[in-house]
Parts: sequence; structure tokens; C-alpha cells
Amino acid sequence: TQLLKQSPQFLSIQEGENLTVYCNSSSVFSSLQWYRQEPGEGPVLLVTVVTGGEVKKLKRLTFQFGDARKDSSLHITAAQPGDTGLYLCAGARTNAGKSTFGDGTTLTVKP
Amino acid sequence: GAVVSQHPSWVICKSGTSVKIECRSLDFQATTMFWYRQFPKQSLMLMATSNEGSKATYEQGVEKDKFLINHASLTLSTLTVTSAHPEDSSFYICSAPTASTDTQYFGPGTRLTVL
Repeated sequence: TQLLKQSPQFLSIQEGENLTVYCNSSSVFSSLQWYRQEPGEGPVLLVTVVTGGEVKKLKRLTFQFGDARKDSSLHITAAQPGDTGLYLCAGARTNAGKSTFGDGTTLTVKP
Repeated sequence: GAVVSQHPSWVICKSGTSVKIECRSLDFQATTMFWYRQFPKQSLMLMATSNEGSKATYEQGVEKDKFLINHASLTLSTLTVTSAHPEDSSFYICSAPTASTDTQYFGPGTRLTVL
């Protein structure tokens, strides 16, 4: 069974702080996605990483795919209350196949 | 970007009734769609894979007679919760991958409350 472990599960920080969320697996993925979900809404895609070692930046968010394509990290710089939400990583192994989702990280950024 | 819609966004029903939830890919065709269930502050739990023109594939522990899935066209999948009970109350989300990528695009979800 493919498992994706996210850590931490819950994170509560003050506005302006930095944070990193980790997504780890023993399986190799062809690509990995990060999503952000707000209560009562569906997950919204933030990024897809495909190449081992790849780093992508989206404003204050930096995503990294591990060299072996088994793990990934999401780093947020100077967090803002608007970053509050559930962050999910998902690994895919084949085109249009089902993804394996991480446990999720609930982030709360206090003003 | 790829857009997936769901209808209704929320529904309240009485115990014993059936509820149908629609999932549509608006700007792309999807031969496969996925149905998830989500409990508060938890990750997504895959229920089944909906396949256009063939039977759905259910995950272990999901009752296929309880959760009927029909993928009638390349842009529409439906999930029918039959004889709903309060324990079926949950947030149901569908997703669809585009043909060329591994990326799942999600619908906005449907909140089901069974009284």
C-alpha cells in the first residue's frame, strides 16, 4: 500500500513566521501535487512537481521534490492569515491514475 | 485551468431517501473521475473510481450497492447515496485528471446532511 506521511499534522503560528510542511513516502512517484483546501470547499491545486530535485516557487511558497521522487516539502515564508487552511500532498504514479493523498496539515496563521 | 463542478453544493435529506450528486468536467473530457469522502479536518478518503462506459471500481470497505456510481458521458459522473442514514452525512468531493497529466482537479464538494 502506498502511503504518504505528512508532518506536522497541525501547525499554529503567528503572522510573519516561516514554516515547512513535509510529505514523505517509501514509494517513487511520477509526480507530486500540493493542494490547499478551505473549509467547505474542494482542494485547489497549488503546484505539480515532476522532476527529482525540482524546486518551484509561487510567491511566498516554495515547493521541492526530492531527488529520488519519494518526498516533497512546502515552505511558506512570512505566513499570513490568508494562508490558513488544510494543505494536502498527493502522489501519482501513472497518467490519469488515482493519486495517493497525504494525511493533511492543518495550518492556522494568527494575526 | 481544468474546471470541475459539483451539484448540489449542499443537500439535507431525511433518513431512508436517496440523494444524487453530479460531478462535471466543464472544459475537458474525463474518462476517469474519482469520488472522495472527507470528515472534518481530515484528508480525503477515496471511495471509488468512476470509469466512463464501464463499472466503477470501489475501494475496500465501500458498499457499491450503497454508493451507486454512473459515468454516463465523458464529462459527467454521478454518485447516488441510496437509503441514506445519518452516518452517511459527510463532505463528498469528486475529482478528474486531465488526459495529459497526473494532476487531479477537484470539484467544490457537496455537503450531505441526513436527518
